[in-house]
Amino acid sequence: QVQLVQSGAEVKTPGSSMRVSCQASGGTFVPSTITWVRQAPGQGLEWMGSIILSLGKPKYAHKFQDRVSLTADKSTTTAYMELTGLTSDDTAVYYCARDPNETGTLDYWGQGTLVTVSS
Amino acid sequence: DIQLTQSPSSLSASIGDRVTITCRASQSISTYLHWYQQKPGKPPKFLIYHASGLPDGVPSRFSGSGTGTEFSLTIVNLQPEDSATYYCQQSYLMNSFGQGTKVEIK
Repeated sequence: QVQLVQSGAEVKTPGSSMRVSCQASGGTFVPSTITWVRQAPGQGLEWMGSIILSLGKPKYAHKFQDRVSLTADKSTTTAYMELTGLTSDDTAVYYCARDPNETGTLDYWGQGTLVTVSS
Repeated sequence: DIQLTQSPSSLSASIGDRVTITCRASQSISTYLHWYQQKPGKPPKFLIYHASGLPDGVPSRFSGSGTGTEFSLTIVNLQPEDSATYYCQQSYLMNSFGQGTKVEIK
């Protein structure tokens, strides 16, 4: 059973940075791509970017490309998402999800990490 | 960027009803369209892949169809546990999600 376990909730101040981790376990294969999606309170899903684990090659949504950095550690099958220049608009639940075939389908999701940006 | 527009934004239906949600893309995306179900406080659940594929474990009352710019998700014999918000997602060019459709049980 594939599991994606994310780091815990955080409270950040405006202008600071956040870093969320996502460790994959279970199954007999490494997930090929990890995608990050966020959801502001009461709002819909927003794609932030994806990273191919084997290549460490990220792609970013235009909206976030100046502020987000996706990295991955193959040895621990852990992906990281860093977002800088935080504002209150970045308050959201951040999810990682697995794309097993690099076609965009997200079959397993992490539990979500709530990040609150507040002064 | 490719925009996805879902309709309706919300609906209310009775147990046993047939429900259809539409997702329209701003340009052709072939069948790179997927559906997810999300319940409050939970991560989304993978529901339909590539417009009409049913992942293992998803009940057969869920089905998807469409190609190009027009897609639909249909739930037949609506059950209480189907109360949720449903999202479409395209992966043809980068990724994006529709705004969601909330399904409530009367």
